[in-house]
Amino acid sequence: QKEVEQNSGPLSVPEGAIASLNCTYSDRGSQSFFWYRQYSGKSPELIMFIYSNGDKEDGRFTAQLNKASQYVSLLIRDSQPSDSATYLCAVSGYSSASKIIFGSGTRLSIRP
Amino acid sequence: KAGVTQTPRYLIKTRGQQVTLSCSPISGHRSVSWYQQTPGQGLQFLFEYFSETQRNKGNFPGRFSGRQFSNSRSEMNVSTLELGDSALYLCASSLPRDSSYNEQFFGPGTRLTVL
Repeated sequence: QKEVEQNSGPLSVPEGAIASLNCTYSDRGSQSFFWYRQYSGKSPELIMFIYSNGDKEDGRFTAQLNKASQYVSLLIRDSQPSDSATYLCAVSGYSSASKIIFGSGTRLSIRP
Repeated sequence: KAGVTQTPRYLIKTRGQQVTLSCSPISGHRSVSWYQQTPGQGLQFLFEYFSETQRNKGNFPGRFSGRQFSNSRSEMNVSTLELGDSALYLCASSLPRDSSYNEQFFGPGTRLTVL
């Protein structure tokens, strides 16, 4: 079983709709959760992090965390063509010395 | 504040050669992690250095090694290159804190091609 699992996609969403990206993790001791966006040929860019159960909103992005279900998601409202990218979920333990484990990413395509 | 820088950006080597890649973290960041990214395997963790010490290590052969200097700059070395080492090598820096989150910021990467 992979430590961090994501659906590879591609996930196709019409412009203006809500894109929902999901991630599950296997280590119940995980405490820190990150979402990165990676455009083709570029390096990953941190867009959200969350470490408490519930929702965290930042502009059009909302991260949702459910530790009991070992599930973290990213919602993108009012999807734009510029949101088309691969989204990487990453998970880490509590200590600053903990490794960060990345999922394989979900490719998101926003169709005009 | 300048971001993470990596040099060189592109590199072409032949099998059996060795290569050294360099990473300068964001000013004030003391942790540097290295990742290998390939289309088939995704982003795989190589190792992490903090205060000149390797703190974490991924599942890569001993041909892959690294070090960190007192100014937090880091290098990774791959010896006896194989075709399968062709990948994007990413460096990420972070400012480790005692709190529970530890966000990493990535450099632009070094694209290594092994012929």
